[in-house]
Amino acid sequence: AQTIHQWPVAEIKAVGSPLSLGCTIKGKSSPNLYWYWQATGGTLQQLFYSITVGQVESVVQLNLSASRPKDDQFILSTEKLLLSHSGFYLCAWSLPGGSETLYFGSGTRLTVL
Amino acid sequence: QQKVQQSPESLTVSEGAMASLNCTFSDRSSDNFRWYRQHSGKGLEVLVSIFSDGEKEEGSFTAHLNRASLHVFLHIREPQPSDSALYLCAVSIRSGGSNAKLTFGKGTKLSVKS
Repeated sequence: AQTIHQWPVAEIKAVGSPLSLGCTIKGKSSPNLYWYWQATGGTLQQLFYSITVGQVESVVQLNLSASRPKDDQFILSTEKLLLSHSGFYLCAWSLPGGSETLYFGSGTRLTVL
Repeated sequence: QQKVQQSPESLTVSEGAMASLNCTFSDRSSDNFRWYRQHSGKGLEVLVSIFSDGEKEEGSFTAHLNRASLHVFLHIREPQPSDSALYLCAVSIRSGGSNAKLTFGKGTKLSVKS
């Protein structure tokens, strides 16, 4: 069975500090990977997607970056956090293709002060 | 740009009573619809997927799609208090591309009272 693990569960960070969020998928080879973000009271929106190791496409520009260093790992990061980065970050995977079901992790709650 | 709207914003039903949620979308090319739910502070759980007009049932969840009217509904049969959660409608277009980009609605917060 496939499992998706996100870390950390929650973070409280200062404005201007760096951030690194991670996601690991086990039990599925070469999945598509995604980062979604949900501002408090807002809608979920896609930030990045990746169809293979080393390739990441940005969908929304929020002064964040993403990398896929391994087939089963997806990292979201920034060197300088903004207040507007607060929210709920969700990692997801799908089978290759543009019409497959997305399966989400349990998310990371980020609070920027 | 695709717009997805859900109604009502919140809904309270009694245990065992049918719950009906509504989702409207704006892009007539849309052909990929999913309902997810999110318990407070948790990730998303996919409930049912539907790709053509009509109904699709998964357990106690039934999705009903009417593309001509730009509506997709979710009916929850005999909901339990454990079904209390935020229900999200997700819409996309099966373009054949590699990005399964979903456009989400803001959700309907369902409360089931025992």
